[in-house]
Amino acid sequence: GQQLNQSPQSMFIQEGEDVSMNCTSSSIFNTWLWYKQEPGEGPVLLIALYKAGELTSNGRLTAQFGITRKDSFLNISASIPSDVGIYFCAGPAAGTYKYIFGTGTRLKVLA
Amino acid sequence: DTGVSQNPRHKITKRGQNVTFRCDPISEHNRLYWYRQTLGQGPEFLTYFQNEAQLEKSRLLSDRFSAERPKGSFSTLEIQRTEQGDSAMYLCASSPGWGRGSYNEQFFGPGTRLTVL
Repeated sequence: GQQLNQSPQSMFIQEGEDVSMNCTSSSIFNTWLWYKQEPGEGPVLLIALYKAGELTSNGRLTAQFGITRKDSFLNISASIPSDVGIYFCAGPAAGTYKYIFGTGTRLKVLA
Repeated sequence: DTGVSQNPRHKITKRGQNVTFRCDPISEHNRLYWYRQTLGQGPEFLTYFQNEAQLEKSRLLSDRFSAERPKGSFSTLEIQRTEQGDSAMYLCASSPGWGRGSYNEQFFGPGTRLTVL
């Protein structure tokens, strides 16, 4: 079945640094969703992407829908301590109502 | 607060007991999803409702699990004869089902943490 692989699995960065993470699939997705999850809480939607090549920003966050439609990227600029959390990509599985979530990238920001 | 709400937030039960969780989606969202999340993993799809119709169930959903959305508004997820392996966070999400592009955007509740002793 379709799977989403995220890399890196975890990152430790200094406050103020930029962060890049990606999500890849063996099959095409028509929508990419990026979420952030903090301990004990549900995922919070950060950015939604609908078109190959699309680049969308939300404050310090920028995400891109890969041109092959098999990948997506999330960048965070000038990281701050509250960026700490797990970042998930997600998308609808082809031919079903099911959504697939990636394996997650755990981000830690050192002040 | 107009977001997705879930109750209870935490549930501790003994193996073999039945438990029921409730999800109240964002008003006017006709799509509702249930997920299960274990430590260190992403959410795993369990089931999907469009209005009151349950249109898809994961093979993960054994016959001990049942979900309902009787009037197309709130939903319940029941687990019968709980097992220790059922311990997880159960998440509910809703999406509009309409609107250019945004029909795919899912908004999650805070989850119900289930611990089976």
